[in-house]
Amino acid sequence: DAKTTQPNSMESNEEEPVHLPCNHSTISGTDYIHWYRQLPSQGPEYVIHGLTSNVNNRMASLAIAEDRKSSTLILHRATLRDAAVYYCIPLNIQGAQKLVFGQGTRLTINP
Amino acid sequence: KAGVTQTPRYLIKTRGQQVTLSCSPISGHRSVSWYQQTPGQGLQFLFEYFSETQRNKGNFPGRFSGRQFSNSRSEMNVSTLELGDSALYLCASSLEGQFKPNYEQYFGPGTRLTVT
Repeated sequence: DAKTTQPNSMESNEEEPVHLPCNHSTISGTDYIHWYRQLPSQGPEYVIHGLTSNVNNRMASLAIAEDRKSSTLILHRATLRDAAVYYCIPLNIQGAQKLVFGQGTRLTINP
Repeated sequence: KAGVTQTPRYLIKTRGQQVTLSCSPISGHRSVSWYQQTPGQGLQFLFEYFSETQRNKGNFPGRFSGRQFSNSRSEMNVSTLELGDSALYLCASSLEGQFKPNYEQYFGPGTRLTVT
């Protein structure tokens, strides 16, 4: 499994953009990059995933570096509900449904 | 579409007992994965079932077992409970299983197990 490095914590203000970085320098060429988040007292929630190109959905955008060794999850306008722990998880064919959760980044949103 | 449901939501057991947890995946999803979450170890993968077959297994002792039924519902069993088994047990379902890393998982609310 590819190792990931994320900041332990980040803080932002409501209605401002948030950029959450993830380093995955050992990722293989066929690994998808998934992002999940876990809100307090809830199960993890899928956010977004991508392979090579940048991706957008209703929740966030995912910017993947050209060499794929890092990615950034972008929340365009943070709300209080976005306060959670965010996990960056590379997934390959062999472990496709085996999510390996690291420490993640605890995001705090200030009103 | 209804989400992933888990029963019971809370459970208290004593050491040495066994417990069975249930998970109903999203309709149409064939893959069910189980995770254990504790404050000390974080979220850890237990196993994954796809079409009634265990496809992937984490590093847990044989006391932890599971199965999946033909309707994709899954159960997880823990025998001879230990204090350290106290945790939140999460179930997740996905449309596809192994060899499909581009499919997302949907998690249930979890079962909070307390072993005394």
